[in-house]
Amino acid sequence: GQNIDQPTEMTATEGAIVQINCTYQTSGFNGLFWYQQHAGEAPTFLSYNVLDGLEEKGRFSSFLSRSKGYSYLLLKELQMKDSASYLCAVRDYRGAAGNKLTFGGGTRVLVKP
Amino acid sequence: DTGVSQDPRHKITKRGQNVTFRCDPISEHNRLYWYRQTLGQGPEFLTYFQNEAQLEKSRLLSDRFSAERPKGSFSTLEIQRTEQGDSAMYLCASSEGTEQQQFFGPGTRLTVL
Repeated sequence: GQNIDQPTEMTATEGAIVQINCTYQTSGFNGLFWYQQHAGEAPTFLSYNVLDGLEEKGRFSSFLSRSKGYSYLLLKELQMKDSASYLCAVRDYRGAAGNKLTFGGGTRVLVKP
Repeated sequence: DTGVSQDPRHKITKRGQNVTFRCDPISEHNRLYWYRQTLGQGPEFLTYFQNEAQLEKSRLLSDRFSAERPKGSFSTLEIQRTEQGDSAMYLCASSEGTEQQQFFGPGTRLTVL
């Protein structure tokens, strides 16, 4: 099975940087995803890591260490609109399970002025 | 393309009634997923289709739940004899291939009174 842990809530100031950590224990691994979810809305894709290292995309970066079962999402130059939940998800790859995602509980980020 | 759509967006029902939700994936996507999300939690996998074949069902999916994707396009999720514990957001997602990211629909929020 899969076990994914991330902090429940974080608060940061507009313009600052916030790092959201995610640790996972899996029986099968084929990539780690980060999604953003505003209250009452669908999750939207932010980033994907399958190999170790840092992936940068504008103000958002994501890091993966497969040996440590660890990832983080880095949000730079925080804006008020970044207030949302950030979901860490691991993709399973066992036979027909194919592309199933297992999500962590989400980290609610509150950006203050 | 307008993305993944779901209908209805909200459903209020009385305990014991049957409900059916519809998901229309992005047109060229052959993989379709159903997830359930309760407040403050990440989405939980329910079931997965590749074209019209249902390839995996979660243990969360009791006998009261059934999903179909008859022509490999839209999908329906039916819950029979609803219980208050079924109250949640039901999310549908689709992807083009096993390696591709999943795109989520806006969800159907079910409230069982």
